[in-house]
Amino acid sequence: DAGVTQSPTHLIKTRGQQVTLRCSPKSGHDTVSWYQQALGQGPQFIFQYYEEEERQRGNFPDRFSGHQFPNYSSELNVNALLLGDSALYLCASSKPLKGLNTEAFFGQGTRLTVV
Amino acid sequence: AQRVTQPEKLLSVFKGAPVELKCNYSYSGSPELFWYVQYSRQRLQLLLRHISRESIKGFTADLNKGETSFHLKKPFAQEEDSAMYYCAPSYSGAGSYQLTFGKGTKLSVIP
Repeated sequence: DAGVTQSPTHLIKTRGQQVTLRCSPKSGHDTVSWYQQALGQGPQFIFQYYEEEERQRGNFPDRFSGHQFPNYSSELNVNALLLGDSALYLCASSKPLKGLNTEAFFGQGTRLTVV
Repeated sequence: AQRVTQPEKLLSVFKGAPVELKCNYSYSGSPELFWYVQYSRQRLQLLLRHISRESIKGFTADLNKGETSFHLKKPFAQEEDSAMYYCAPSYSGAGSYQLTFGKGTKLSVIP
């Protein structure tokens, strides 16, 4: 099991463009969360997907959207990129047990630079 | 809004000295509490969770609901403990299990 894999590892985009980041969860996991980590900060929750639906969303604008596929993989889309969107984007997968959170496994991240 | 405070950005200790990484949270209800760690050039990974009450790599964390704290401790620091540590309460809302991370504490163990 390769664990959580993200692609691409690095990306440079121009302000105003759109970007799609991809994540494959750890085998057996059905829940995917996305986090943004700015330099010197802790990861900040963007949203979480389960059964192909957005289950919870953090304090991020609608420019940030996502999708989960039947195989549990997920995409994060960001439209109208701003310089402030430059960050490390982390994907985490888990399989919460009923009523309890469980260990989240993180990918290595995608480093997005907006110029 | 849920808040997590890790007051020390950087903590330097000598090898063999005790370590305490502080974490305070503000939450309604009873969050689940986790510590995640990131070693150099590795991905973020779980160190321990309060519900399992176990010691991982010599680290323990005590939940103090009265003080809303979840400090991470180790009696004798080792060089391999040098890493970035994040306290992360888990907020369960609408069936979601999002983690709210603090800004992190960089632990540096001096040989």
